[in-house]
This record gives sequence, structure tokens and C-alpha cells, in this order.
Amino acid sequence: KQEVTQIPAALSVPEGENLVLNCSFTDSAIYNLQWFRQDPGKGLTSLLLIQSSQREQTSGRLNASLDKSSGRSTLYIAASQPGDSATYLCAVKGGSQGNLIFGKGTKLSVKP
Amino acid sequence: EAGVTQSPTHLIKTRGQQATLRCSPISGHTSVYWYQQALGLGLQFLLWYDEGEERNRGNFPPRFSGRQFPNYSSELNVNALELEDSALYLCASSDRDRGSGYTFGSGTRLTVV
Repeated sequence: KQEVTQIPAALSVPEGENLVLNCSFTDSAIYNLQWFRQDPGKGLTSLLLIQSSQREQTSGRLNASLDKSSGRSTLYIAASQPGDSATYLCAVKGGSQGNLIFGKGTKLSVKP
Repeated sequence: EAGVTQSPTHLIKTRGQQATLRCSPISGHTSVYWYQQALGLGLQFLLWYDEGEERNRGNFPPRFSGRQFPNYSSELNVNALELEDSALYLCASSDRDRGSGYTFGSGTRLTVV
């Protein structure tokens, strides 16, 4: 059974810092990995989608890497801003289940 | 392109009643997924529908059920509501490609009193 773990559970940084969020998964037989952002009480916004054959994806100040063999992904946020404050969720899509399996998220707070 | 739309935005029900939540996927998407997010808990997978069929089900009791219509929209029904059913219910859609990502709606906040 696929399990997804995100570390740390919470992170507080001053504005301008570069930061890394970590995600690990137990079953490497995945189709893709997706990073989402969730603001309090809201739905999920997709940030980056990495296919199993890819090593990384970039969008603006965000860069996500994938090491399928070791079951790990990282989300790198450059020059953090207060508007980046949100919960970041990592999810993997595997063949056996077909639906996304989510980690519990990292709650990020960026202080002005 | 219209996103995934969910209705209603908020729903207040009394314990023991039934709730019906609706989801319209992105045009061209055939798969619809339902997730429950209770306060302080992670996203729990409820149901997956594709081409009108239930493809997978999470670890929830049978009083959670749903269906998918020919236009690929979906309905989640929760019978005999309990207080612990209070949560944000999120719907997502994707297309047939196994490598496609999910697009989520804004959710329905269900409160059971």
C-alpha cells in the first residue's frame, strides 16, 4: 500500500529565504507526482506535475525534483514571499490504485 | 476553459439527514474523484468514477455513495449523516491519460449539526 510522507509538518521562514519541502513515498511504481498548494478552507491549486520519466519541473520560483528509485521528491521555493504562505501537498499516482495518494502536507508561513 | 465546479459551496444538515454534493469536471475529462478533508486531517480518498463506473473506493462506510452521469458530472451522496461527516469535500477530474494530473474544485463545506 502506497504511503506518502511530508517533512517538515510546519515551517516558518523570513521573507526572501530559499526553502526546500520534502516528500517521500514507499512504492516507486508511480505514473506521476503532483505538488499542490492549499489556502485555508479552499480547494487545491496544482503547482507542478512530474511524470515518472522526468527528473524535474520548473515554474517561476518553484522547482520540483523527482528521484523515483529512492522514492523522494523535493519542492524548492526561491526567494519566498508572504503570499507563499499556505499548506503544500505532495501526491503520487500509482498503477495499482489509480487515484492520487496524498501526504499530510507542510504548512508554510513566510514572515514579512 | 472552465475549471472543476462544485455545488453547493456550503451545506448545513442535521444528523440523520442525507446530503447530496455535485461536481462538474473540466470539459473532456472522464474521471472524477471525491476526497474528504476533515478539520486537522489529511485528504482521504472516497470514490473514483470513470466512464460512468465506480473504479475504486476508499475506506468509507457504504452510506457514502455516488454516481457519474453520461456527461461525466458526478454526485456524492452521504446518507444517515453523522457529526463526524462535517468536512470539506473536494472533487477533482482528470482525462484518460494515466500520466495526466488532477484539477480540483473549490470544495463543498458540509456541516452536520
